[in-house]
Amino acid sequence: DAKTTQPTSMDCAEGRAANLPCNHSTISGNEYVYWYRQIHSQGPQYIIHGLKNNETNEMASLIITEDRKSSTLILPHATLRDTAVYYCIVRVNNAGNMLTFGGGTRLMVKP
Amino acid sequence: EPEVTQTPSHQVTQMGQEVILRCVPISNHLYFYWYRQILGQKVEFLVSFYNNEISEKSEIFDDQFSVERPDGSNFTLKIRSTKLEDSAMYFCASRMGQGSRIQYFGAGTRLSVL
Repeated sequence: DAKTTQPTSMDCAEGRAANLPCNHSTISGNEYVYWYRQIHSQGPQYIIHGLKNNETNEMASLIITEDRKSSTLILPHATLRDTAVYYCIVRVNNAGNMLTFGGGTRLMVKP
Repeated sequence: EPEVTQTPSHQVTQMGQEVILRCVPISNHLYFYWYRQILGQKVEFLVSFYNNEISEKSEIFDDQFSVERPDGSNFTLKIRSTKLEDSAMYFCASRMGQGSRIQYFGAGTRLSVL
């Protein structure tokens, strides 16, 4: 799986959009970008994933650059409950089973 | 919404004792996983299980560990002789099958080895 780079921590004001970047410059054509988050030592929670098109669901939006070397997870209206560690994971969809978690970005949403 | 259930939420044991951590995956899921997270460290993959056998395991998953699906609903992780360094959060996860690669995680079991 391609290596990812994320900022260690970020702050966001409550009610504002949180934009979490991820660099994956060595991503290959068949690798997807997945985002999970972990709220205070709970189990990781799936957020969203994509291959090359932008994706949106009820939790977030995923913007992937045209060259696919980076992506941004957007939480449109961050709440205090969105305070968590956010993990960007790049992996091939049809091989391997495990998820490889890096250090992630610790997002602190402040009132 | 269906969820992965883990019991107990906290297990305290003495070094050298055997422990069994239990998981009930989502009912129609076919692939099962265990991960662990030592306090302050990354989430680490331990093992994956499909069709009643281990499909992949990490270096952490040595002979002290074993997994089992004793019936149609439970998925267990056994540590035969616990060590202090086994103290961690243990997460079970499951996923549906070929059509979906999304893994759903339980809330975890905190194992404390004294």
